Amino acid sequence: DVKVTQSSRYLVKRTGEKVFLECVQDMDHENMFWYRQDPGLGLRLIYFSYDVKMKEKGDIPEGYSVSREKKERFSLILESASTNQTSMYLCASSSPLFGTSGLHSSTDTQYFGPGTRLTVL
Amino acid sequence: GENVEQHPSTLSVQEGDSAVIKCTYSDSASNYFPWYKQELGKRPQLIIDIRSNVGEKKDQRIAVTLNKTAKHFSLHITETQPEDSAVYFCAASRRSGGYQKVTFGTGTKLQVIP
Repeated sequence: DVKVTQSSRYLVKRTGEKVFLECVQDMDHENMFWYRQDPGLGLRLIYFSYDVKMKEKGDIPEGYSVSREKKERFSLILESASTNQTSMYLCASSSPLFGTSGLHSSTDTQYFGPGTRLTVL
Repeated sequence: GENVEQHPSTLSVQEGDSAVIKCTYSDSASNYFPWYKQELGKRPQLIIDIRSNVGEKKDQRIAVTLNKTAKHFSLHITETQPEDSAVYFCAASRRSGGYQKVTFGTGTKLQVIP
């Protein structure tokens, strides 16, 4: 079973604080993702990484940064937390697989962590 | 970029009835369409998916259909049970370089009334 863990289930921080959210997966997956989940808005992609030290902006990267120093770990950083960053943060990982024919036959299933509910006061 | 619209946002059905959730997408290059179920307080989990070379896929009480021409896909749950109550997310995904870029819909909260 794929296991994706997040460092905290609940976190309360003050405006202006630097916040680190950590995600670890144990399946040697290449791809890792950070989403935030808000009522009525679904899952919105913040950043993703498809390899160690590689990162790509998602749809809402403003106010966030990420770090991927090791394959199994993907960190989300809020440089200066603001109240509008109060949300549920979900990490996910996936692994692309290619068939011998060269055609894309990826699993692409995203395995999610349990989420971190962050409150910024 | 890709835009995925999902309807309805909430859905209540009587136990035993069917439930249908519909999604549309904008990027014709999208080729993979997963559906995730998120029970209250839990993480989203994949329940079924369909690729662009298939029009329909079924797994017991759940089925997904895809109309590439119209760019829409739907989730069908038959004989609903209380344990089907959850938030369901559709997603559209396309290959971009070495990775698959996924865009999620806004979710449908399904309530099955016993």
